[in-house]
Amino acid sequence: QVQLVQSGPEVKKPGASVKVSCKASGYTLTSYPMNWVRQAPGQGLEWMGWIRPDISNTSYAENFKDRVTITADTSTNTAYMEVRGLRSDDTAVYYCTRESGHNYFDNWGQGTLISVSS
Amino acid sequence: EIVLTQSPGTLSLSPGERATLSCRASQSVNDNYLVWYQQKPGQAPRFLIYGASHRAFGIPDRFSGSGSGTYFTLTISRLEPDDFAVYYCHVGRTFGQGTKLEIK
Repeated sequence: QVQLVQSGPEVKKPGASVKVSCKASGYTLTSYPMNWVRQAPGQGLEWMGWIRPDISNTSYAENFKDRVTITADTSTNTAYMEVRGLRSDDTAVYYCTRESGHNYFDNWGQGTLISVSS
Repeated sequence: EIVLTQSPGTLSLSPGERATLSCRASQSVNDNYLVWYQQKPGQAPRFLIYGASHRAFGIPDRFSGSGSGTYFTLTISRLEPDDFAVYYCHVGRTFGQGTKLEIK
């Protein structure tokens, strides 16, 4: 069955960078776009960006386009999301999620908590 | 950019009751590409409904979605204890703010 397994929680200082991995199994990464969504504590879901692993095409939300890079390693079936210049308000759970069909996210990783604190 | 507004913010009901959650879009949703997710504390969202009214694989038939254009609803016909959670609607790159369904 389809599984998305993300890397573990991290604690970072303001200004640092973090890279979260999302290993896909049960399907080939290049077959579907992969999105990244974050959720601040007690808040709703916020779309960050997207990659089409087959052609390495990416798109980012306006709020993140200068600080976030999404990549994919097709040899290991793994997607990555890097955030640079971390701030305290970047503290959140970050999810990778597979996009299937018409813009619906049918499978989600378990989430990765990134805590930013001095 | 489309804006999705969910109501109510919190819905308090008892097991066995019927729940109706709403999602209003700021502009018409193309081909009804409206999606619903369920999220429980500490868990990732769970895919429930796509295309406004089609249940995802394995979703019980007590969950149903309806609507078109700019107004959509998610109905849970007979609430079970496991259904109390936060529900989000979604179109494209935008999520609603969520409706918390809590036990009365």
